[in-house]
Amino acid sequence: EDQVTQSPEALRLQEGESSSLNCSYTVSGLRGLFWYRQDPGKGPEFLFTLYSAGEEKEKERLKATLTKKESFLHITAPKPEDSATYLCAVQAWRYSGGSNYKLTFGKGTLLTVNP
Amino acid sequence: GAGVSQTPSNKVTEKGKYVELRCDPISGHTALYWYRQSLGQGPEFLIYFQGTGAADDSGLPNDRFFAVRPEGSVSTLKIQRTERGDSAVYLCASSLGPTSGQETQYFGPGTRLLVL
Repeated sequence: EDQVTQSPEALRLQEGESSSLNCSYTVSGLRGLFWYRQDPGKGPEFLFTLYSAGEEKEKERLKATLTKKESFLHITAPKPEDSATYLCAVQAWRYSGGSNYKLTFGKGTLLTVNP
Repeated sequence: GAGVSQTPSNKVTEKGKYVELRCDPISGHTALYWYRQSLGQGPEFLIYFQGTGAADDSGLPNDRFFAVRPEGSVSTLKIQRTERGDSAVYLCASSLGPTSGQETQYFGPGTRLLVL
Protein backbone atom coordinates (compact mmCIF):
# COMPACT_ATOMS: atom_id res chain seq x y z
CA GLU A 1 0.00 0.00 0.00
CA ASP A 2 1.25 3.46 -0.91
CA GLN A 3 2.24 5.63 2.05
CA VAL A 4 3.12 9.32 2.30
CA THR A 5 4.42 10.92 5.49
CA GLN A 6 4.98 14.65 5.78
CA SER A 7 7.02 16.43 8.42
CA PRO A 8 6.84 18.56 10.36
CA GLU A 9 3.08 18.70 10.90
CA ALA A 10 3.37 22.44 11.54
CA LEU A 11 6.13 24.96 11.01
CA ARG A 12 6.28 28.56 12.12
CA LEU A 13 8.85 30.86 10.46
CA GLN A 14 9.76 34.49 10.62
CA GLU A 15 9.59 36.37 7.33
CA GLY A 16 12.87 35.79 5.48
CA GLU A 17 13.76 32.65 7.47
CA SER A 18 14.38 29.85 4.94
CA SER A 19 13.45 26.24 5.71
CA SER A 20 12.44 22.90 4.18
CA LEU A 21 9.41 20.63 4.33
CA ASN A 22 9.84 16.88 4.02
CA CYS A 23 7.74 14.26 2.24
CA SER A 24 8.74 10.60 2.69
CA TYR A 25 7.01 8.05 0.51
CA THR A 26 6.67 4.31 -0.02
CA VAL A 27 5.28 3.10 -3.35
CA SER A 28 5.71 0.03 -5.51
CA GLY A 29 6.82 2.18 -8.42
CA LEU A 30 6.72 5.96 -8.52
CA ARG A 31 4.83 7.43 -11.44
CA GLY A 32 4.96 11.00 -10.15
CA LEU A 33 5.23 13.07 -6.97
CA PHE A 34 3.07 16.16 -6.67
CA TRP A 35 3.18 19.21 -4.40
CA TYR A 36 0.07 21.25 -3.78
CA ARG A 37 -0.66 24.32 -1.68
CA GLN A 38 -3.98 24.58 0.15
CA ASP A 39 -5.37 27.76 1.70
CA PRO A 40 -8.08 27.54 4.39
CA GLY A 41 -11.49 26.79 2.90
CA LYS A 42 -10.12 26.23 -0.61
CA GLY A 43 -9.15 23.32 -2.80
CA PRO A 44 -5.52 22.28 -3.34
CA GLU A 45 -3.59 24.42 -5.82
CA PHE A 46 -1.01 22.65 -7.98
CA LEU A 47 2.65 23.63 -7.52
CA PHE A 48 5.01 20.98 -8.96
CA THR A 49 5.30 17.50 -10.42
CA LEU A 50 8.53 15.50 -10.10
CA TYR A 51 9.02 12.23 -11.95
CA SER A 52 12.51 10.89 -11.25
CA ALA A 53 15.21 11.00 -8.58
CA GLY A 54 17.49 13.98 -8.95
CA GLU A 55 14.84 16.14 -10.57
CA GLU A 56 14.37 19.70 -9.26
CA LYS A 57 11.76 22.36 -10.04
CA GLU A 58 11.50 25.98 -8.94
CA LYS A 59 8.79 28.58 -8.76
CA GLU A 60 9.43 31.93 -7.13
CA ARG A 61 10.55 31.23 -3.55
CA LEU A 62 9.81 27.49 -3.76
CA LYS A 63 12.07 24.68 -4.93
CA ALA A 64 11.10 21.01 -4.96
CA THR A 65 13.60 18.15 -5.08
CA LEU A 66 13.19 14.38 -5.31
CA THR A 67 15.17 11.33 -4.20
CA LYS A 68 14.19 7.65 -4.31
CA LYS A 69 12.66 7.86 -0.83
CA GLU A 70 11.66 11.47 -0.21
CA SER A 71 10.99 14.91 -1.56
CA PHE A 72 11.80 18.28 -0.09
CA LEU A 73 10.05 21.58 -0.60
CA HIS A 74 12.57 24.33 0.10
CA ILE A 75 11.21 27.78 0.90
CA THR A 76 13.69 30.62 0.49
CA ALA A 77 13.09 33.94 2.26
CA PRO A 78 9.38 33.25 2.83
CA LYS A 79 6.76 35.96 3.03
CA PRO A 80 3.52 35.98 5.06
CA GLU A 81 1.56 35.20 1.88
CA ASP A 82 3.36 31.83 1.72
CA SER A 83 1.40 30.76 4.80
CA ALA A 84 -0.72 27.72 3.85
CA THR A 85 -0.88 23.96 4.16
CA TYR A 86 1.50 22.22 1.77
CA LEU A 87 0.39 18.79 0.58
CA CYS A 88 2.52 16.09 -0.99
CA ALA A 89 0.98 13.29 -3.06
CA VAL A 90 2.25 10.28 -5.02
CA GLN A 91 0.96 8.55 -8.09
CA ALA A 92 2.08 4.95 -8.47
CA TRP A 93 2.36 2.39 -11.23
CA ARG A 94 -0.15 -0.35 -10.58
CA TYR A 95 0.48 -3.71 -12.12
CA SER A 96 -2.63 -5.45 -10.82
CA GLY A 97 -5.86 -3.71 -10.00
CA GLY A 98 -6.64 -0.02 -9.66
CA SER A 99 -5.61 2.83 -11.88
CA ASN A 100 -2.27 4.52 -12.38
CA TYR A 101 -3.81 7.92 -11.86
CA LYS A 102 -5.16 8.22 -8.33
CA LEU A 103 -3.19 10.34 -5.89
CA THR A 104 -2.26 9.25 -2.37
CA PHE A 105 -1.77 12.29 -0.14
CA GLY A 106 0.08 12.95 3.08
CA LYS A 107 -1.56 14.89 5.89
CA GLY A 108 0.22 18.10 4.97
CA THR A 109 2.48 20.63 6.68
CA LEU A 110 0.84 23.78 8.01
CA LEU A 111 3.26 26.64 7.36
CA THR A 112 2.86 29.97 9.13
CA VAL A 113 5.12 32.87 8.20
CA ASN A 114 5.08 35.76 10.63
CA PRO A 115 5.87 39.30 9.44
CA GLY B 1 -15.27 28.50 -16.80
CA ALA B 2 -11.54 28.70 -16.14
CA GLY B 3 -11.40 26.13 -13.36
CA VAL B 4 -13.21 23.20 -11.78
CA SER B 5 -16.48 24.26 -10.20
CA GLN B 6 -18.46 22.46 -7.51
CA THR B 7 -21.95 22.97 -6.20
CA PRO B 8 -23.21 23.47 -3.61
CA SER B 9 -20.31 25.03 -1.74
CA ASN B 10 -21.91 23.99 1.54
CA LYS B 11 -24.52 21.35 2.32
CA VAL B 12 -26.13 20.64 5.68
CA THR B 13 -28.33 17.57 5.93
CA GLU B 14 -29.78 15.27 8.52
CA LYS B 15 -28.67 11.74 9.24
CA GLY B 16 -30.38 9.29 6.91
CA LYS B 17 -31.04 11.78 4.09
CA TYR B 18 -29.86 11.54 0.48
CA VAL B 19 -27.48 14.14 -1.00
CA GLU B 20 -26.06 14.91 -4.43
CA LEU B 21 -22.85 16.83 -5.01
CA ARG B 22 -22.03 18.21 -8.45
CA CYS B 23 -18.71 18.76 -10.22
CA ASP B 24 -18.11 20.66 -13.45
CA PRO B 25 -14.59 19.93 -14.74
CA ILE B 26 -12.29 22.12 -16.82
CA SER B 27 -13.46 22.16 -20.43
CA GLY B 28 -11.67 19.51 -22.47
CA HIS B 29 -10.55 17.44 -19.50
CA THR B 30 -11.51 13.81 -20.01
CA ALA B 31 -10.41 12.54 -16.58
CA LEU B 32 -12.36 13.39 -13.43
CA TYR B 33 -11.64 12.44 -9.82
CA TRP B 34 -13.49 12.64 -6.51
CA TYR B 35 -11.63 12.87 -3.20
CA ARG B 36 -12.79 13.33 0.39
CA GLN B 37 -10.91 15.43 2.93
CA SER B 38 -11.56 15.22 6.66
CA LEU B 39 -10.33 17.89 9.06
CA GLY B 40 -6.57 17.78 9.50
CA GLN B 41 -6.11 15.09 6.85
CA GLY B 42 -5.01 15.02 3.26
CA PRO B 43 -7.51 14.28 0.50
CA GLU B 44 -8.47 10.61 0.18
CA PHE B 45 -9.25 9.11 -3.24
CA LEU B 46 -12.80 7.96 -3.93
CA ILE B 47 -13.33 7.39 -7.66
CA TYR B 48 -11.81 8.14 -11.08
CA PHE B 49 -13.68 8.57 -14.37
CA GLN B 50 -12.14 8.40 -17.82
CA GLY B 51 -14.85 9.74 -20.10
CA THR B 52 -18.22 8.36 -19.04
CA GLY B 53 -16.97 5.24 -17.30
CA ALA B 54 -15.66 4.72 -13.79
CA ALA B 55 -12.14 3.42 -14.37
CA ASP B 56 -11.35 3.01 -10.66
CA ASP B 57 -13.91 3.09 -7.84
CA SER B 58 -11.70 1.37 -5.29
CA GLY B 59 -11.88 4.30 -2.86
CA LEU B 60 -15.65 4.37 -2.41
CA PRO B 61 -16.12 3.42 1.26
CA ASN B 62 -19.34 1.42 0.88
CA ASP B 63 -22.40 0.96 -1.32
CA ARG B 64 -24.06 4.12 0.01
CA PHE B 65 -21.69 6.08 -2.23
CA PHE B 66 -22.22 6.24 -5.98
CA ALA B 67 -21.03 8.56 -8.74
CA VAL B 68 -22.01 9.10 -12.36
CA ARG B 69 -20.72 11.03 -15.34
CA PRO B 70 -23.32 10.28 -18.05
CA GLU B 71 -22.05 12.59 -20.81
CA GLY B 72 -18.35 12.59 -19.97
CA SER B 73 -18.38 16.09 -18.52
CA VAL B 74 -20.35 16.96 -15.37
CA SER B 75 -20.23 14.39 -12.58
CA THR B 76 -22.52 13.83 -9.60
CA LEU B 77 -21.51 12.13 -6.36
CA LYS B 78 -24.49 10.60 -4.63
CA ILE B 79 -24.62 9.59 -0.99
CA GLN B 80 -27.57 7.60 0.33
CA ARG B 81 -28.61 7.26 3.98
CA THR B 82 -26.04 9.78 5.13
CA GLU B 83 -24.21 9.21 8.41
CA ARG B 84 -22.45 11.71 10.68
CA GLY B 85 -19.14 10.15 9.67
CA ASP B 86 -19.75 11.27 6.08
CA SER B 87 -19.17 14.89 7.15
CA ALA B 88 -16.14 16.14 5.25
CA VAL B 89 -15.08 18.29 2.32
CA TYR B 90 -15.70 16.54 -0.98
CA LEU B 91 -13.19 17.62 -3.61
CA CYS B 92 -13.40 17.14 -7.35
CA ALA B 93 -10.40 17.31 -9.69
CA SER B 94 -9.93 16.99 -13.43
CA SER B 95 -7.02 16.39 -15.78
CA LEU B 96 -6.46 16.19 -19.54
CA GLY B 97 -6.45 12.39 -19.45
CA PRO B 98 -4.03 9.49 -19.92
CA THR B 99 -3.29 10.03 -23.60
CA SER B 100 -2.19 13.62 -23.06
CA GLY B 101 0.98 12.84 -21.11
CA GLN B 102 -0.10 15.57 -18.71
CA GLU B 103 -0.86 14.07 -15.32
CA THR B 104 -1.66 17.19 -13.34
CA GLN B 105 -4.97 17.12 -11.49
CA TYR B 106 -6.62 20.50 -10.92
CA PHE B 107 -8.93 20.74 -7.95
CA GLY B 108 -12.18 22.56 -7.37
CA PRO B 109 -13.03 24.50 -4.19
CA GLY B 110 -14.89 21.56 -2.65
CA THR B 111 -18.31 20.98 -1.14
CA ARG B 112 -18.43 21.07 2.64
CA LEU B 113 -20.91 18.44 3.78
CA LEU B 114 -22.20 18.46 7.34
CA VAL B 115 -24.46 15.62 8.49
CA LEU B 116 -26.35 16.43 11.69
